[in-house]
Amino acid sequence: QKEVEQDPGPLSVPEGAIVSLNCTYSNSAFQYFMWYRQYSRKGPELLMYTYSSGNKEDGRFTAQVDKSSKYISLFIRDSQPSDSATYLCAMSARYGGATNKLIFGTGTLLAVQP
Amino acid sequence: EAGVAQSPRYKIIEKRQSVAFWCNPISGHATLYWYQQILGQGPKLLIQFQNNGVVDDSQLPKDRFSAERLKGVDSTLKIQPAKLEDSAVYLCASSPTGGGSPLHFGNGTRLTVT
Repeated sequence: QKEVEQDPGPLSVPEGAIVSLNCTYSNSAFQYFMWYRQYSRKGPELLMYTYSSGNKEDGRFTAQVDKSSKYISLFIRDSQPSDSATYLCAMSARYGGATNKLIFGTGTLLAVQP
Repeated sequence: EAGVAQSPRYKIIEKRQSVAFWCNPISGHATLYWYQQILGQGPKLLIQFQNNGVVDDSQLPKDRFSAERLKGVDSTLKIQPAKLEDSAVYLCASSPTGGGSPLHFGNGTRLTVT
């Protein structure tokens, strides 16, 4: 079993739709949860960052973490064609403050149709 | 703030040849990472440096891959000899510290081994 599971998609939605992206994980030591957005032929860029459980909102984006279910989500409201990209979930545990081994999901390819 | 710089952007080599990639992290970032991203997969950590010391190289194929970070700033990743399965995007990332801080990625070097 992979440490982080993510549906690769592709996911195609019409402009203005609410998008839900999800990841599950198996390592209960994970405490830091991130979502990265990766445009074609570019490096991943940090979109959302949360520590432990709870919700975090930033504009049209909301990240949710449910540690009891080992499940994280990213919601995109009023999706735009410019949101078309691959979305990668990533997470890490803290080992004595020294390492930050970030484990990534496979990424979900999202296409927002105008 | 200038981002993570990587070069070259693209490289095509034949199997059994050698290749080197260069990375300049964000100024002041102590931690530097090299990730390998195979098409359709999430990035996989190859090696992590804290200043100029190696923190984690457990997934680095040491019989053919090597990396160094002299003076705790720039880093090079080398493959010698290359195999077909090394075809991937090699991403460099940096962060201010380890232990859960978000990573900032460069745009990567796309390697094709023929």
